[in-house]
Amino acid sequence: EVQLVESGGGLVQPGESLRLSCAASGFTFSDYSMNWVRQAPGKGLEWISYILSTGTIIYYADSVEGRFTISRDNAKNSLYLQMNSLRGDDTAVYYCVRVRGSGLNYYYTDVWGKGTTVTVSS
Amino acid sequence: QSVLTQPPSVSAAPGQKVTISCSGSSSNIGNNYVSWYQQFPGTAPKLLIYENNKRPSDIPDRFSGSKPGTSATLAITGLQTGDEADYYCGTWDSSLSGYVFGSGTKVTVL
Repeated sequence: EVQLVESGGGLVQPGESLRLSCAASGFTFSDYSMNWVRQAPGKGLEWISYILSTGTIIYYADSVEGRFTISRDNAKNSLYLQMNSLRGDDTAVYYCVRVRGSGLNYYYTDVWGKGTTVTVSS
Repeated sequence: QSVLTQPPSVSAAPGQKVTISCSGSSSNIGNNYVSWYQQFPGTAPKLLIYENNKRPSDIPDRFSGSKPGTSATLAITGLQTGDEADYYCGTWDSSLSGYVFGSGTKVTVL
């Protein structure tokens, strides 16, 4: 079964850091680009970062550029999101998502994890 | 403020048809393929439509997509109570170098 399982969420204070992990199984992780997508309470979906299958191309949303770092370890079938200088508006459910499509203009996402909750509050 | 604009809500009676619009620009919808996602409260989104009008094998043909120009449309025919959910469009934005989601539309079955 194709599966993505996020972990690492929790309650942190503003300015602190957190590292999210995503364990992939049921498919050849190294063949796929991956995303992080978040959803604030009661709000819509927000794409925050993309990483190519090889890890050589990375994109970030402006809202997290310079504070968040996406990475992957294909040997461990794992995706990561290092989040620094966290703010209240980073409070959200964070989803690990598999990317499909033969190029960026064909881009879509077909497998989503259940999400991990990050709460930033003093 | 989402780059892609959707109506906040649409509604119809069981068995009827609803359409959800997703308005963008040449940097996103106009030159890239659109996908659609369904999300029930408290759960992760699920892929409904990809590459404008293709359905994954487990999605019924009551769901269909189209993309005329810089807008996209999701149509749901034979509306069922189980279709009550939030629906999001999404596509790559070449100017932003990022993926963008629509603002989301809540479908209500009357």
